[in-house]
Amino acid sequence: GENVEQHPSTLSVQEGDSAVIKCTYSDSASNYFPWYKQELGKRPQLIIDIRSNVGEKKDQRIAVTLNKTAKHFSLHITETQPEDSAVYFCAASDSGGSNYKLTFGKGTLLTVNP
Amino acid sequence: KAGVTQTPRYLIKTRGQQVTLSCSPISGHRSVSWYQQTPGQGLQFLFEYFSETQRNKGNFPGRFSGRQFSNSRSEMNVSTLELGDSALYLCASSLALGSEAFFGQGTRLTVV
Repeated sequence: GENVEQHPSTLSVQEGDSAVIKCTYSDSASNYFPWYKQELGKRPQLIIDIRSNVGEKKDQRIAVTLNKTAKHFSLHITETQPEDSAVYFCAASDSGGSNYKLTFGKGTLLTVNP
Repeated sequence: KAGVTQTPRYLIKTRGQQVTLSCSPISGHRSVSWYQQTPGQGLQFLFEYFSETQRNKGNFPGRFSGRQFSNSRSEMNVSTLELGDSALYLCASSLALGSEAFFGQGTRLTVV
């Protein structure tokens, strides 16, 4: 089955700096890669996703890049703010295929220091 | 549009008991999946239901079971509770299998 590795497990940055979280996946059939943000005591919320037919997607201060050959994808947050502090999870699935369940990485605790 | 609703929000049970958790998906969503979240293991997939059928199952013992009703609402049941079952149980609903998933607030289960 699919295996998703996520690094780093913790990340501390100064407000205004950029943050990058990286994930690798094992199943070459995976074609859907969402990122979730979970604030303390709250539910995970989808912040951005990418499908395997594109290499990059941006939404304001966040962007995701995908390298299908190397089987890794990354989340980039620019101009970080204290409210970006949360746990971020990457996930992968073979949407529409036989392994469509979302497999999550173990999460990255991002702390943005004011 | 109402989001994903999970009940109850908190539960305290003793070892050996059984528990049933409920999840009401977003209206129109036919897929419901369940996850166990613990500090050390992150989000671990339990199972996914679509049109009342279990379509996928994670690596959990048979004590964990679930079902989905014709209105897409889903329940999961854990029998013979163990201390290690203490966790946040999250359900997520999707329009279709493998598509964008929206999470509920979760049920915090504590086994004592």
